[in-house]
Amino acid sequence: GQQVMQIPQYQHVQEGEDFTTYCNSSTTLSNIQWYKQRPGGHPVFLIQLVKSGEVKKQKRLTFQFGEAKKNSSLHITATQTTDVGTYFCAGPRGGGSYIPTFGRGTSLIVHP
Amino acid sequence: DTGVSQNPRHKITKRGQNVTFRCDPISEHNRLYWYRQTLGQGPEFLTYFQNEAQLEKSRLLSDRFSAERPKGSFSTLEIQRTEQGDSAMYLCASSSATDTQYFGPGTRLTVL
Repeated sequence: GQQVMQIPQYQHVQEGEDFTTYCNSSTTLSNIQWYKQRPGGHPVFLIQLVKSGEVKKQKRLTFQFGEAKKNSSLHITATQTTDVGTYFCAGPRGGGSYIPTFGRGTSLIVHP
Repeated sequence: DTGVSQNPRHKITKRGQNVTFRCDPISEHNRLYWYRQTLGQGPEFLTYFQNEAQLEKSRLLSDRFSAERPKGSFSTLEIQRTEQGDSAMYLCASSSATDTQYFGPGTRLTVL
């Protein structure tokens, strides 16, 4: 099955700085999903991207899906302490399965 | 509150004992998923139900693990002869046809 790789594993930022996490797949993805997991919490769905080159925004969050549908990114502008958590990307397992396979995630730490 | 509930929230057991976890999905969701998550990792897919039918199982799922969804509503995950390596957070998620997964709070298993 396909795997999704995420970088970086950890990111420390000062409040107000921007943050970006990258997700890469070895195979073309039919879609990619992004989730956020707060410390001690469970993953919460953020968004799904389907189209090649798609860009979607949610307030300070910008999600992109690459033209080749093999990579994606999440960019947060002017981070706040409420952005703290681990951000996961997930792509279909492949082999006919649409069930998401999750990356290891990027843990964002925001220093006030 | 996502609406998916899991019980118990915490389980401590001794190696070799059997444990059973329960998941109650969002009532109108016909799809139910079990994942396992360890520290620093993303959720790892275990198995998937559509209504009462178990349609997919991870190849990583040993024969000590079994899951049921007898009436297409709640589901149980049983681990027989637990091992220390089974210690993890067990997450349940549900979805409708839109594929957006809603996760429950998880059951944290500690095997001594």
